Amino acid sequence: EVQLVESGGGLVQPGGSLRLSCAASGLTFSTCSMNWVRQAPGKGLEWVSYISSTSITIYYAESVKGRFTISRDNAKNSLYLQMNSLRDEDTAVYYCATSGGDYWGQGTLVTVSS
Amino acid sequence: DIVMTQSPDSLAVSLGERATINCKSSQSVLYSSNNKNYLGWYQQKPGQPPKKLIYWASTRESGVPDRISGSGSGTDFTLTISSLQAEDVAVYYCQQYYTTSWTFGQGTKVEIK
Repeated sequence: EVQLVESGGGLVQPGGSLRLSCAASGLTFSTCSMNWVRQAPGKGLEWVSYISSTSITIYYAESVKGRFTISRDNAKNSLYLQMNSLRDEDTAVYYCATSGGDYWGQGTLVTVSS
Repeated sequence: DIVMTQSPDSLAVSLGERATINCKSSQSVLYSSNNKNYLGWYQQKPGQPPKKLIYWASTRESGVPDRISGSGSGTDFTLTISSLQAEDVAVYYCQQYYTTSWTFGQGTKVEIK
């Protein structure tokens, strides 16, 4: 059974940093391109970032470019999102998802508030 | 970015009746080299992650009931639930994956009338 489990969310002050993790199991992680998608409370889905299986290709949404960094460790079957200079509008549930959209984690809540 | 626009934002349908959701993309998501529309539909229930229902605009994911179907091509797409059941109450999103930077419609909330 494929499982994606996000962790690392929490309450952080504006301007602060947080690092999210996504632990993958039940799939050959090293061959999967991955995404982060977020959902603000009561709002729709917003794609955040993409990373190819070998980390060669990376893309970011304009709203997070220069502040967020996606990375992965295929030896640890893990995906990461380093979030710096956090803003109120970054408050959301953050999901990791495979590139085909077939598998999603349950999400981790990030709350940016003073 | 490709902008995805859904209509309506919400709809209430009686049990057993048809629900229709429309999705329009700001540019074509039909890839001419393989004649495939890079358009998917997702269902999201409260407190759950999105679940993929449809890909290539009209191909049902395994396990998705055949009362749920997708159609359309180019820039105009439709998700149809032919006979609404209680378990279909959810928010539905269209998504383009023509570009690696996915974009989603704003969502359509489906409720029971």
